[in-house]
Amino acid sequence: EVQLVESGGGLVQPGGSLRLSCAASGFTFSSYWMHWVRQAPGKGLVWVSHINSDGSITTYADSVKGRFTISRDNAKNTMYLQMNSLGVEDTAVYYCARDQWYAYWGQGTLVTVSS
Amino acid sequence: QSALTQPASVSGSPGQSITISCTGTSSDVGGYNYVSWYQQHPGKAPKLMIYDVSNRPSGVSNRFSGSKSGNTASLTISGLQADDEADYYCSSYTNSNTRVFGGGTKLTVL
Repeated sequence: EVQLVESGGGLVQPGGSLRLSCAASGFTFSSYWMHWVRQAPGKGLVWVSHINSDGSITTYADSVKGRFTISRDNAKNTMYLQMNSLGVEDTAVYYCARDQWYAYWGQGTLVTVSS
Repeated sequence: QSALTQPASVSGSPGQSITISCTGTSSDVGGYNYVSWYQQHPGKAPKLMIYDVSNRPSGVSNRFSGSKSGNTASLTISGLQADDEADYYCSSYTNSNTRVFGGGTKLTVL
């Protein structure tokens, strides 16, 4: 069974940093592109970033470019999102999703940026 | 990276059919057959309902169908059921090798 489990969310002050993790199981992690998508409270889905299967290609939404870094460790079946210079506008549930169709999603992890 | 345009809300009675539109540009929806649709119930993760414009993943009811004409994609749900009440989002690949979502449509089953 495909499973994606996000972790690392929490409360952080503006300007702070946080690293999210997405642990994958039930499939050959190293074969798939992976994505981060976020959803602010009461708002819609917003694509954040994606990474190709071997980690050599990464792309970011303009809103996070230069502040967020996506990476993966295929030996650990885990993807990461390093988030720096966080602002209140980054408050959201962060989901990881698998493949070009987003066929599988995690349950999400909540990031709250507040003083 | 502007969001795709969806109606904020649609409604229908049980058994009826509804269609949700998703309008983009030639740089996203119109340029590629990589449009997907997702269903999201409150407090839950999104679920893939349609991929590559009109394909249904295994396990998704054939009451759900997708199409595209020019820069606008559409999701049609026939034979509306109470459990179809949810938020629906479209998504498209873009010419910048990014992805973009629609603003979401709240479906109410009357």
